Amino acid sequence: GNSVTQMEGPVTLSEEAFLTINCTYTATGYPSLFWYVQYPGEGLQLLLKATKADDKGSNKGFEATYRKETTSFHLEKGSVQVSDSAVYFCALSPNTGGFKTIFGAGTRLFVKA
Amino acid sequence: DVKVTQSSRYLVKRTGEKVFLECVQDMDHENMFWYRQDPGLGLRLIYFSYDVKMKEKGDIPEGYSVSREKKERFSLILESASTNQTSMYLCASSKGATNYEQYFGPGTRLTVT
Repeated sequence: GNSVTQMEGPVTLSEEAFLTINCTYTATGYPSLFWYVQYPGEGLQLLLKATKADDKGSNKGFEATYRKETTSFHLEKGSVQVSDSAVYFCALSPNTGGFKTIFGAGTRLFVKA
Repeated sequence: DVKVTQSSRYLVKRTGEKVFLECVQDMDHENMFWYRQDPGLGLRLIYFSYDVKMKEKGDIPEGYSVSREKKERFSLILESASTNQTSMYLCASSKGATNYEQYFGPGTRLTVT
């Protein structure tokens, strides 16, 4: 079946550090891949997405590349800010066979000033 | 600005009570979803609906039911609340195709005592 595995948190970084949050997936066919972010006290919101192999999604300085050969969609940011402190969810949506999106367990990021 | 709203941010109910959680979206989306979010478990799908009066069970439907009488409104019902249903409940909506992102409400934190 479809599944998403992302690195466990929490991840604690200093401001301006480089961020990587690993995400790998298992799916049949060619799913769409997403990163969502949840700020404290809020619901999830889409951060970026990619719909086919080798696509790069980007937003607010975050990037992730859809790697079919390694079934990965790692999230990166070159220089994090305190305001990036949040929980990050990797997710996949199969392009056939239903409407369900599969979410990873989430990775909490703390950024210190 | 597009919105998904949930009827309550915080709710406290007693064991055995019938509980209604309401969700409304203003984006004319076909699909609507109810998730629960628990620490370490990520998001788990309870029920979803891809059209008015249509519903499909998610991964953890036991103890819950849903109602979708109008396109913009999706209700989650706990027929007889139990303490193990204490959780954060998130509603989401999306367009019809599977590779569209989901839009989330702010969540309802339900405590059953």
